[in-house]
Amino acid sequence: NAGVTQTPKFRILKIGQSMTLQCTQDMNHNYMYWYRQDPGMGLKLIYYSVGAGITDKGEVPNGYNVSRSTTEDFPLRLELAAPSQTSVYFCASSLSQFDMNTEAFFGQGTRLTVV
Amino acid sequence: GQSLEQPSEVTAVEGAIVQINCTYQTSGFYGLSWYQQHDGGAPTFLSYNALDGLEETGRFSSFLSRSDSYGYLLLQELQMKDSASYFCAVRSSGGSYIPTFGRGTSLIVHP
Repeated sequence: NAGVTQTPKFRILKIGQSMTLQCTQDMNHNYMYWYRQDPGMGLKLIYYSVGAGITDKGEVPNGYNVSRSTTEDFPLRLELAAPSQTSVYFCASSLSQFDMNTEAFFGQGTRLTVV
Repeated sequence: GQSLEQPSEVTAVEGAIVQINCTYQTSGFYGLSWYQQHDGGAPTFLSYNALDGLEETGRFSSFLSRSDSYGYLLLQELQMKDSASYFCAVRSSGGSYIPTFGRGTSLIVHP
């Protein structure tokens, strides 16, 4: 049972380069999220999706884009990488917001450095 | 908006009991979750409280008081492997019930 899978695990980008962080889940979850985590800080929501074809901005969306063409996949796109985007990125998914015991499942993270 | 406050660091000795507090401000509160994150790893779900009271899961318990906008995570019989960061997260009806996380509490367990 794979759960939430993120690729790549590590990446170094040069300023101005672009890349896509991949995220896929095999639990048939409707909700998917992208968070970033800076050292010593909590998780900040970048974008989220409540189902295929529906995405919305979170707390820190600037410099990022997402798409959700299928239930399984939720890629995060960085168009023009900046040093401020150096962070650890986590993708997560959950079944729905109405479950009483709503658990979000996280991927192992992508460690991105922009130089 | 939403905000959560939790201590930045807590230390304890092996075998002891420790409580990690979380206070929150949010509109349309729906539930409080706790997650554990070991250094360099993915956050993993520990517990969820939607109603007032105590939820117990093995050595871990979580408490919620909706009237006080307050919750805590209680860890008993501490083990070295419990050294990790612990995050509280609120799920509110403002927006789309998306979890908002606190900054996390680093728990250091000493032998």
